[in-house]
Amino acid sequence: DQQVKQNSPSLSVQEGRISILNCDYTNSMFDYFLWYKKYPAEGPTFLISISSIKDKNEDGRFTVFLNKSAKHLSLHIVPSQPGDSAVYFCAASPTGNQFYFGTGTSLTVIP
Amino acid sequence: EAGVTQFPSHSVIEKGQTVTLRCDPISGHDNLYWYRRVMGKEIKFLLHFVKESKQDESGMPNNRFLAERTGGTYSTLKVQPAELEDSGVYFCASSRQPWGANVLTFGAGSRLTVL
Repeated sequence: DQQVKQNSPSLSVQEGRISILNCDYTNSMFDYFLWYKKYPAEGPTFLISISSIKDKNEDGRFTVFLNKSAKHLSLHIVPSQPGDSAVYFCAASPTGNQFYFGTGTSLTVIP
Repeated sequence: EAGVTQFPSHSVIEKGQTVTLRCDPISGHDNLYWYRRVMGKEIKFLLHFVKESKQDESGMPNNRFLAERTGGTYSTLKVQPAELEDSGVYFCASSRQPWGANVLTFGAGSRLTVL
């Protein structure tokens, strides 16, 4: 059974606008969360992470929000750029244990 | 620093044949992981090596899959005999420390197509 869910397979956003990618998880033991970005024919690359002691982590145009009570996290990209077009994977883990990945959301940023 | 290298990038085989995928991790990374993504599905954990030892192989689908990491350097993942449902992209990743706060560096993946 999937423990990390990304219910939107795809998302299209205009360049310059905000992209919001969502992720839900079921395991309350998860305390570390990551977002990976994947371009075609490449492996996933690490983007940003957050631990359960925080509810927000920011890195440039990328911000991850964590709502532990709702078991929900989101990735905000502001402003979105065409080079952000990729598949974004959410991942979660209990510390010291394996990462569980979602199915990915394909983001298209329209110039 | 060279990244994680996987070979072959794409393999097409008939059902019942054998395929061996290879992964060269980043030098000095004791931890090596295999993952698989079936089309449209999640990236699923297969197993984790610490040096040459299997730390966790709970994600291996069945005994048709055999992973090795002799000498604690490169790793191979053999599928024998291959079935249609084995088709997907097999990713290898490595890290200096296991899991937790240390992120994984992934290779580009080996796409396996079983006909």
